[in-house]
Amino acid sequence: DGGITQSPKYLFRKEGQNVTLSCEQNLNHDAMYWYRQDPGQGLRLIYYSQIVNDFQKGDIAEGYSVSREKKESFPLTVTSAQKNPTAFYLCASSIGWQGNNQPQHFGDGTRLSIL
Amino acid sequence: DAKTTQPNSMESNEEEPVHLPCNHSTISGTDYIHWYRQLPSQGPEYVIHGLTSNVNNRMASLAIAEDRKSSTLILHRATLRDAAVYYCILTDRGGNQFYFGTGTSLTVIP
Repeated sequence: DGGITQSPKYLFRKEGQNVTLSCEQNLNHDAMYWYRQDPGQGLRLIYYSQIVNDFQKGDIAEGYSVSREKKESFPLTVTSAQKNPTAFYLCASSIGWQGNNQPQHFGDGTRLSIL
Repeated sequence: DAKTTQPNSMESNEEEPVHLPCNHSTISGTDYIHWYRQLPSQGPEYVIHGLTSNVNNRMASLAIAEDRKSSTLILHRATLRDAAVYYCILTDRGGNQFYFGTGTSLTVIP
């Protein structure tokens, strides 16, 4: 079954630490996305990647970094510069970026908490 | 970026139809309307999307107003598994960026 796998499901970070969230897809999709969701809110875009070795900032990129070295992988690092990292993080993918009619497929998320 | 307005919450009786409204008065001519739903602690799930014409699939129907300033997601027979937060989303003209609002929390009453 094709899909998106996010790991870990729960993650705890100490103050001042960087942590990396994993996102892998086997859908052969070119475009991948990272979103953040706070309680009772909708999703906000952190970063997106249209193709391998390319990525662009979304609406709330400060304090986060990404890489896209392989088509199937798009890890997100939450750096110590992100002062309020506690949230639910969701990864998604779509066949491509061009055109605005492509469904996004989501993983089941990683819940990050600060110790 | 185009914005959507949805009621915060709605209730429906099980096995009855549900009409979930969405207003998007600033929609542009090339913006698609997408609907997703999300269960607690899970990622959003695709429901349906369309541009101008009404759309049907196995999950739901999407009715789009003639002026495209509003749309309605129709669940034909609500089940308990349909209880979720439903998001109406417009995509940016330049690409596939989704703009999520706070959605409508649907409660299905047995």
